[in-house]
Amino acid sequence: VQLVESGGDLVQPGRSLRLSCTASGFTLGDYALSWFRQAPGKGLEWVGVIRSKGHGGAREYAASVKGRFTISRDDSKSIAYLQMDSLKTEDTGVYYCTRDLSTFYYGSGSDLWGQGTLVTVPS
Amino acid sequence: QPALTQPPSASGSPGQSVTISCTGTGSDIGEYNFVSWYQQHPGKAPKLLIHEVNKRPSGVPDRFSGSKSGNTASLTVSGLQAEDEADYYCSSYAGSNIFVVFGGGTKLTVL
Repeated sequence: VQLVESGGDLVQPGRSLRLSCTASGFTLGDYALSWFRQAPGKGLEWVGVIRSKGHGGAREYAASVKGRFTISRDDSKSIAYLQMDSLKTEDTGVYYCTRDLSTFYYGSGSDLWGQGTLVTVPS
Repeated sequence: QPALTQPPSASGSPGQSVTISCTGTGSDIGEYNFVSWYQQHPGKAPKLLIHEVNKRPSGVPDRFSGSKSGNTASLTVSGLQAEDEADYYCSSYAGSNIFVVFGGGTKLTVL
C-alpha cells in the first residue's frame, strides 16, 4: 500500500508543471485524495483535495493556489494529478500526495502519504 | 503566518510525558472535531498520529493521545522515547472557504 509522486522539477516562473501520484495496493477510486506542500525549512500547507467519483468528485483548493492549480484523477490507472500553472517562486517546495481517511468529510486526516516530489521555482 | 499556533519547541527526558498545544479560533478547532496531528522526522513524509481530535490510526502506539478544549487542541506523548524526537504538526478543518489549516510545527527534543 503506497503512493508515489513524480514530476517534480526546476521550472521558471510563469510556466506549468504536472505532478503525478501513483497508487498501489489499494483501490484509488474509493478514496478522496489531498495534496500538501512544504516549503524548504517551513511547515505543512494544504493545497487541495479531490473527492472520490462516488462522492461527486468535487475539488477544493487553498486560496493561494485557486485558479492556478487543478487536481484530477484517473482511477482506471490509479493515478492522481496536480496540474500547476502560472507558477510562482512561493510555490517552491516538496509536494505530497495523500489518501484521506474520510471519503466525504474534508480535513478528516491523511493516513497515507507519498515520499514527496520537489518543485523549484527560482526567483 | 500559520493559522494555528504551536510552541516552536518542546522537550522531555526519556520516560517522561510532554504535551504540545495547538491554539486556533472558534472558526476552526473550536467549531469542528476534525483536528489531526502529524509526526515528521527529518527528510521524511509526515505520519498521521491522531485524527478527529483523539482517534489513533492502527499501528500508532497508545503513548500518543489527543484532546481538545475550546479553541485549543493538545497532543500528549507519554513514556518519551528517543525515536519520538521529530517535528509535530496540528491541523484542523476550518470550514468550506478555507478548508484545512496547520500549525507552524513543534520540534520535540528528547533530552
